Amino acid sequence: GENVEQHPSTLSVQEGDSAVIKCTYSDSASNYFPWYKQELGKGPQLIIDIRSNVGEKKDQRIAVTLNKTAKHFSLHITETQPEDSAVYFCAASKNQGAQKLVFGQGTRLTINP
Amino acid sequence: DTGVSQNPRHKITKRGQNVTFRCDPISEHNRLYWYRQTLGQGPEFLTYFQNEAQLEKSRLLSDRFSAERPKGSFSTLEIQRTEQGDSAMYLCASSRTANTEAFFGQGTRLTVV
Repeated sequence: GENVEQHPSTLSVQEGDSAVIKCTYSDSASNYFPWYKQELGKGPQLIIDIRSNVGEKKDQRIAVTLNKTAKHFSLHITETQPEDSAVYFCAASKNQGAQKLVFGQGTRLTINP
Repeated sequence: DTGVSQNPRHKITKRGQNVTFRCDPISEHNRLYWYRQTLGQGPEFLTYFQNEAQLEKSRLLSDRFSAERPKGSFSTLEIQRTEQGDSAMYLCASSRTANTEAFFGQGTRLTVV
C-alpha cells in the first residue's frame, strides 16, 4: 500500500524566514496531495492541496510543489509568522479526493519571534 | 458554525465499557470519513461512507468497532469492550463529493483507563 514519509519531524525558523517541509510517497498511482495544519487539541485544517496534473500551486504565503517523477512534494511557507507555529501533515490518496488519505508523520514547526 | 461537528470532545471510560461518538458533517456533504490519530502520529484511515452506504473499512477497524450513517447525514462510531490500545483521537471528516477536499472536525479524544 501507499507509504508517505515526511521530513523534518521538527523545524524551527526565525519569524519572517521561509520554512520548507518535504514528503515522499511510494505509490505512483497517488494523484491527490493535501496539506493540513493541526494546532494543539484541534482537528487538522486543510491549508492547500495539489492534484497530479499540476506541478505547483500557490495561495498567498503558502505554496506546494509536486514532482511526480521523483514522487515527492513540498510545502513552502514564506514570511513566517508566530501563528504559523503548529504541526503540519502531508497526505496522499489515489482517488483525486479525500478518501483513504495516507498521512505523513507530521512536522512540528516553531516560529521564533 | 457550519464546520464538521463531533461530540463529545473528550471521553474517559473504563476498560471493557462501550462508547459511542457522533459526527455531524458539513451540510450537503455526501462523503463522511473516520480516522484515528494516536499521539505524535498522523491520522490513519478507518472507514468512509457515501451517503448512508459504508463503502470501505480499514483492517484497523476490528470487529469491536462499528460505524453507521443511517440517514446519510450524521454518523456514529461505536467501540465495544474498549481496550487501552483504543485510546486515541477519533477524527471525522466530510467532503462534498469523492473528488473534493475533506474538512476535519475537532475530534473526540478517547482515554481508556
